[in-house]
Amino acid sequence: DAGVTQSPTHLIKTRGQQVTLRCSPKSGHDTVSWYQQALGQGPQFIFQYYEEEERQRGNFPDRFSGHQFPNYSSELNVNALLLGDSALYLCASRWGSQKPYGYTFGSGTRLTVV
Amino acid sequence: GNSVTQMEGPVTLSEEAFLTINCTYTATGYPSLFWYVQYPGEGLQLLLKATKADDKGSNKGFEATYRKETTSFHLEKGSVQVSDSAVYFCALDTDKLIFGTGTRLQVFP
Repeated sequence: DAGVTQSPTHLIKTRGQQVTLRCSPKSGHDTVSWYQQALGQGPQFIFQYYEEEERQRGNFPDRFSGHQFPNYSSELNVNALLLGDSALYLCASRWGSQKPYGYTFGSGTRLTVV
Repeated sequence: GNSVTQMEGPVTLSEEAFLTINCTYTATGYPSLFWYVQYPGEGLQLLLKATKADDKGSNKGFEATYRKETTSFHLEKGSVQVSDSAVYFCALDTDKLIFGTGTRLQVFP
């Protein structure tokens, strides 16, 4: 049973560019969340998608946007990249309706902005 | 608002020593509580969880008890190994995960 798959694993972008990160959730999971983990910090919640809609959003600017597809996979898009966007981006999936929730994390995408 | 506070690291121990990593939280209601572990260059792995007051989560020799009266969820292990060296994150679930800043554990032979 495949867990959460993220791609790419590493990425280097230039300031001002745009980036798209991808996530395939664990089989049977329908809710996907994205987190940003800066070096030496704990993960920070970006947003959560369920039924192809953004359900919750953390304290991130509109440059961060996302999408969820009918197969529950998700994308995170970041526009006008800043040096401060360099971080590990983690995707987590869960089954949306069954509490307590069991979250599964992917290995992350390491984004470096130069 | 909801938050998690962890003890600062790094925590440096000799093999077979006793481990405690403190975690306290602020939250409304009765959130589930988690400990995650992150090895170098990897994502997060669930170590253990507790879903209600007085629950004890345990896994691989690690334990933590959900203490509502002290709003704490301290992580303990009786005898650490070199392979336990990693960063440990305490988290609470308010329909999204809120993490502490992490505590780095270094275990030396």
